[in-house]
Amino acid sequence: DQQVKQNSPSLSVQEGRISILNCDYTNSMFDYFLWYKKYPAEGPTFLISISSIKDKNEVGRFTVFLNKSAKHLSLHIVPSQPGDSAVYFCAASVAGANSKLTFGKGITLSVRP
Amino acid sequence: EAGVTQFPSHSVIEKGQTVTLRCDPISGHDNLYWYRRVMGKEIKFLLHFVKESKQDESGMPNNRFLAERTGGTYSTLKVQPAELEDSGVYFCASSRDISYNEQFFGPGTRLTVL
Repeated sequence: DQQVKQNSPSLSVQEGRISILNCDYTNSMFDYFLWYKKYPAEGPTFLISISSIKDKNEVGRFTVFLNKSAKHLSLHIVPSQPGDSAVYFCAASVAGANSKLTFGKGITLSVRP
Repeated sequence: EAGVTQFPSHSVIEKGQTVTLRCDPISGHDNLYWYRRVMGKEIKFLLHFVKESKQDESGMPNNRFLAERTGGTYSTLKVQPAELEDSGVYFCASSRDISYNEQFFGPGTRLTVL
């Protein structure tokens, strides 16, 4: 039973436009959410996170929105750049517990020059 | 500051053989995690160490997998005997504390069991 779902396997956007990556979760116990970016042959790299007490967190070109009632979060990248092309994983955890991360399957983002 | 390192980067073994993967976390990080990604699927948690103690090993698939973290520094994950379904990429991650859960991942070990 997948607790974190990234239903779209891929997304293609034009350079300079907005990329919106979506993620849904089913476990109400999750209270901390993270996005990781992964290039081929490398490990996931932490990008941005959000606690369940917030509904938005912005770092540079990256913004994560959390809608707890819908159990939905999204990552916005504005403006998108070719170097953003990678696989993006949504992950969730129960903060303060053993902190293991539960991941989605990932979304492959392609930013066209 | 050096990142998380893993060795080897690739391993190809025959079914029934033994393989040992190694992870060196970031210095000073007490928390060490092992994850696995089978082809095309999500990254799945295997286990969590706090220093040398196993905090949670609920994700370990079966007793063919043995993880150790002697002295609370590097960790090893041994698969014995390896089966075909053990193929995948094994990631190690570390974090300083569990408060904010930002785990730093190594590059992974790609294991292929033939």
